[in-house]
Amino acid sequence: GAVVSQHPSWVICKSGTSVKIECRSLDFQATTMFWYRQFPKQSLMLMATSNEGSKATYEQGVEKDKFLINHASLTLSTLTVTSAHPEDSSFYICSASTPLRASGYNEQFFGPGTRLTVL
Amino acid sequence: GIQVEQSPPDLILQEGANSTLRCNFSDSVNNLQWFHQNPWGQLINLFYIPSGTKQNGRLSATTVATERYSLLYISSSQTTDSGVYFCAVREGGKLIFGQGTELSVKP
Repeated sequence: GAVVSQHPSWVICKSGTSVKIECRSLDFQATTMFWYRQFPKQSLMLMATSNEGSKATYEQGVEKDKFLINHASLTLSTLTVTSAHPEDSSFYICSASTPLRASGYNEQFFGPGTRLTVL
Repeated sequence: GIQVEQSPPDLILQEGANSTLRCNFSDSVNNLQWFHQNPWGQLINLFYIPSGTKQNGRLSATTVATERYSLLYISSSQTTDSGVYFCAVREGGKLIFGQGTELSVKP
């Protein structure tokens, strides 16, 4: 299957600082990447959809100025949590969508996630 | 939008037992995936199965699109099967996830 990496796997930061998380598709080009947030014992919540070379589309209720997304290339998307606060502590997961396959569908593959703790 | 419901929410099995997980969805779909989230948080693709039946080792999945449900079968469960199983359907280019089934397999 396709491989998606995420870095860092965990980060602890002080309140008020900014944190950048990288998501890379390692063996395929992903025109679309997605960022999710997951709280303990809950499902994944989509934050935004990122298309290479264009502005991200944010889900309702997600602050675009707080969660900056950049999709600079077909293999890299970044999420920056600006001025992080303790309530931003969560598990952040990215995914990348494969190009449309011969069978007629594209499939999402997920990174291993980044655990953010804001003190 | 499409609603995705999974059952049961929790399941405890003895190693070697079989189980069936269910995913109901509220509207017709042409893209359904099953994932396993391991205890470290990694989501692993199990099946892309908008219709029909697929098998991969001890796991198999069946989707009956006309009746709006999908089933994931786990046979001869192992402790490494523990984690959360999600189904997700695609709507408007986005995956809509169910709430998951948390499986715990005891040795």
